[in-house]
Order: sequence, then C-alpha cells, then structure tokens
Amino acid sequence: AAGVIQSPRHLIKEKRETATLKCYPIPRHDTVYWYQQGPGQDPQFLISFYEKMQSDKGSIPDRFSAQQFSDYHSELNMSSLELGDSALYFCASSLSPRAYEQYFGPGTRLTVT
Amino acid sequence: AQTVTQSQPEMSVQEAETVTLSCTYDTSESDYYLFWYKQPPSRQMILVIRQEAYKQQNATENRFSVNFQKAAKSFSLKISDSQLGDAAMYFCALNQGGSEKLVFGKGTKLTVNP
Repeated sequence: AAGVIQSPRHLIKEKRETATLKCYPIPRHDTVYWYQQGPGQDPQFLISFYEKMQSDKGSIPDRFSAQQFSDYHSELNMSSLELGDSALYFCASSLSPRAYEQYFGPGTRLTVT
Repeated sequence: AQTVTQSQPEMSVQEAETVTLSCTYDTSESDYYLFWYKQPPSRQMILVIRQEAYKQQNATENRFSVNFQKAAKSFSLKISDSQLGDAAMYFCALNQGGSEKLVFGKGTKLTVNP
C-alpha cells in the first residue's frame, strides 16, 4: 500500500540558512500534518492543512511557514535556521480532518550546524 | 487543555511473555480518539491501535489490545506473546474532538529480551 512520502530524508544546513521539506500524502488523503520531534522527545504538532487551507496551528516558529498545493502535497519552509531546529520532521496524512487516524511518513532528519 | 502521561519511561519483557504499557490522559471533550504508536530504531511512526472514546469495547489488533477505562481516563496497551520485533518506543496519543492535532505522551521504551 502507498505510504506518505517525505523528501529529502536527510538534510544538513548551516545556521541562518533556509530549508524546504516536502510531503506527499497517501492518495486520496486531503489532510496533512507536520510534527517536529527533537532528540529524545515526543513529536510536537506544528501545523495542519485541509483542502489547501491551514486548519490548525501549534507551536510553529514565525520563521517557519507551510502550505498545501492543489495536488495535496505540502511543503514546510524553514528560514534563519537555528541549532535548536535540528530534529526529525514528520509529515502525516489522513483521509479527512475527522478521520482521526494519521499515517506518518518516514520523516526528514534536519541537522543544523 | 489536553495532556497525555506515560509514567513508565522504560519497560522490559521476555520474549513470548505479556507486557502492559500504561497511559493516562486528560481532556474536557467527550468526543476523542486514543492511539498507540510504535517507533522502532528506524524512527518510523507506526500506528498500532486506535480506540474511539464512544465505544465501550476495547480495541484489539492481533497480539495488541487495549484496556480503555474512560472514567479513570486510562488507556493501557497489552502486548501478548512478545516478539523481538516489538522492541521500540511506544507513544500514547490523544486526538481531541474539534482539534485535529495529536498530543503525545513522553513515550515508553520497550526492550524484549530473548
């Protein structure tokens, strides 16, 4: 069965640089979520989109922005990167916001040096 | 506010035996869902089992079952016939009605001893 695709899988950036993470949801899933998991931490919700509109927002820094496109893929843009942004970034998708079950991608490991 | 608490940072079990992981939660909503996710060393988040709050019957998925005590706001995971491949970090998560985000507990690291 098709799963959530995230690219790139690994990314190394320097402080103050910009990064773009991409997420391709499971076919027919119209809702996308982004989570950040720091080392030894639980995943923290960043932001979600439903039908290309932002549907919920968590503890996402102002330096980060995201959007969902017409084909339902989503991109997380991160600017002015800081050392503390080093983390595993998950994208998850669901059939609808009320479907509740979220299926996670493999994650993008971002390292900021 | 919704919170999820996993009081066991680490647990261990012998292969083929049974282990129970604990989770308590707090929510003011009557409509919510509870989940257990498994995160092996690969760091992939794998959905293990889900429970709808309105259902009294405990969910079961093969060797995995839950004990959902709504009044006590408790949601424990039982793994029967433990296998080496069950070794992972297990996260309990809550999805509160009206909000789509998942709120996770801090996780329980499960070790399976051969």
